Amino acid sequence: QKEVEQDPGPLSVPEGAIVSLNCTYSNSAFQYFMWYRQYSRKGPELLMYTYSSGNKEDGRFTAQVDKSSKYISLFIRDSQPSDSATYLCAMSAGSNDYKLSFGAGTTVTVRA
Amino acid sequence: DTEVTQTPKHLVMGMTNKKSLKCEQHMGHRAMYWYKQKAKKPPELMFVYSYEKLSINESVPSRFSPECPNSSLLNLHLHALQPEDSALYLCASSQGPGEGRNEQFFGPGTRLTVL
Repeated sequence: QKEVEQDPGPLSVPEGAIVSLNCTYSNSAFQYFMWYRQYSRKGPELLMYTYSSGNKEDGRFTAQVDKSSKYISLFIRDSQPSDSATYLCAMSAGSNDYKLSFGAGTTVTVRA
Repeated sequence: DTEVTQTPKHLVMGMTNKKSLKCEQHMGHRAMYWYKQKAKKPPELMFVYSYEKLSINESVPSRFSPECPNSSLLNLHLHALQPEDSALYLCASSQGPGEGRNEQFFGPGTRLTVL
């Protein structure tokens, strides 16, 4: 079993829909959680960085962490065609950890 | 715009060539990383430099040789590569240990093709 599981998709939604992305993990020591967006043939771009459980909102993006269920989510409201990309979750146990555990990535297409 | 820059954007090299990838960050970060990413896969960690010292080498073949000339620059020297080394090579940086945050910021990558 992989340490971090992420639905590979692909996910196709109409413009304006809410996109829901999820990752589950097995290591209960994970406390720091990240979401990255990666356009084709580009480097990953950090979208959200959260610590421990709870919600964090930034514009159209909301990250949720449920440590009791070992489950994290990213919601994209009012999705736009420019949100079409691969989304990667990543996590680590400590703030000094250099190594991140990545999910496999979910490819999202937002249809105009 | 990313504050981690990488050159070149694209590189095609033969198996006997020697080339170098370059990375520069302007965020005052003290940790810098090299990753390799194959299509439809997440990034795979290769090397980590912390305060200009090599901290992690993920058992990478010696045909890849990293170098950190100063806290802002990171190089990856390539020699005698194999076609299976073709991939997107990503540089990243983060605050150093003890700073309380470890999110990594990636550059745009160098797309390497080995013939």
